[in-house]
Amino acid sequence: DSGVTQTPKHLITATGQRVTLRCSPRSGDLSVYWYQQSLDQGLQFLIQYYNGEERAKGNILERFSAQQFPDLHSELNLSSLELGDSALYFCASRSGTAYTDTQYFGPGTRLTVL
Amino acid sequence: DAKTTQPNSMESNEEEPVHLPCNHSTISGTDYIHWYRQLPSQGPEYVIHGLTSNVNNRMASLAIAEDRKSSTLILHRATLRDAAVYYCILRGYGGSQGNLIFGKGTKLSVKP
Repeated sequence: DSGVTQTPKHLITATGQRVTLRCSPRSGDLSVYWYQQSLDQGLQFLIQYYNGEERAKGNILERFSAQQFPDLHSELNLSSLELGDSALYFCASRSGTAYTDTQYFGPGTRLTVL
Repeated sequence: DAKTTQPNSMESNEEEPVHLPCNHSTISGTDYIHWYRQLPSQGPEYVIHGLTSNVNNRMASLAIAEDRKSSTLILHRATLRDAAVYYCILRGYGGSQGNLIFGKGTKLSVKP
């Protein structure tokens, strides 16, 4: 158990819909990272928050957005869903200093868009 | 970002040592070498990291070449639970500074 929790575990929805994925980092960790894992693209970084502020953006679509709340949990919002958005979505929290840090991943949310 | 190259797949027998190679010929002097693994149906998990010297922890050992252009993750006695995809990632000025950049990794199969 990494200490990072994600809900829900599975989500099935239809094209055009909007969903929200939730992540709670490990106690004491201020950073949250979101990653997407699809069969054709592998694991890709989407976005990072640190103590409520956006710190870095990766290959995140404009239809996707995220935020981190004062209690440090984070939500990833996916809208106007397309079939290609079906993937595993992981969040991770980070401890340690730059370059020697460790990221702890949650169990993921499996999103299926029909 | 500095790139790593790993074999697509490897096989091992249970209770035998496994050596997983990683080439990183463009590594810079400040890049740390990190290894993560992803067990089936789970999120990635940290395994080990090092800069220049060989490193050991309860999960594995990391052997780093003297010129740092390659490294090897060593599982001393593979178990069925070690079957996973192993990712070698560089972190630092030449690699990723915040987020992890995953390649395709090496899929390790362990035979009983």
